[in-house]
Amino acid sequence: ETGVTQTPRHLVMGMTNKKSLKCEQHLGHNAMYWYKQSAKKPLELMFVYNFKEQTENNSVPSRFSPECPNSSHLFLHLHTLQPEDSALYLCASSQVDHDTIYFGEGSWLTVV
Amino acid sequence: SQELEQSPQSLIVQEGKNLTINCTSSKTLYGLYWYKQKYGEGLIFLMMLQKGGEEKSHEKITAKLDEKKQQSSLHITASQPSHAGIYLCGAASYSGGGADGLTFGKGTHLIIQP
Repeated sequence: ETGVTQTPRHLVMGMTNKKSLKCEQHLGHNAMYWYKQSAKKPLELMFVYNFKEQTENNSVPSRFSPECPNSSHLFLHLHTLQPEDSALYLCASSQVDHDTIYFGEGSWLTVV
Repeated sequence: SQELEQSPQSLIVQEGKNLTINCTSSKTLYGLYWYKQKYGEGLIFLMMLQKGGEEKSHEKITAKLDEKKQQSSLHITASQPSHAGIYLCGAASYSGGGADGLTFGKGTHLIIQP
């Protein structure tokens, strides 16, 4: 248990579906992140939120839409995804003034 | 942008043997992080190194950062089945840059043979 909880752990969705991934951290951190992990690729940073404000968007397609309603919760809204978007999506959190990042267990996404 | 090269990509080691995994950066490292991941699961934080020449140990795992702060090694002594998994190094591209997210290497897959 790392203090970062992701739901669902597994998700299968069609290309026309709309779904969301949820992340909640119980560590009192003020920065949250979404990473994508695909086979044979390094972890890709998707979005960064510091103090609920988005500070990083690494050229992620608009079919991925993040939402950070407060410093403990982070969502990734998914809409009209492609099969190549199938991957493990990892949420993480940290304190802005401390570099160590703690990860959740991940959400396995399969787009059919 | 910073790139991290890990070597080897995969490693099969007999139980009880020692092993070393390397992580090399194209730029100066302001923070080097080692994580372990079991397939399909999240990353577990192992250690962080910041100073040139720094060395840290946790149980049978030792990590070092070279003086130039461009290379780190992770050494496991007397490997056990519980050490099996994917080891990833991550780096901050500037001091305090961890809050902007880390850059990761592709990982080293470690298999421990009984």
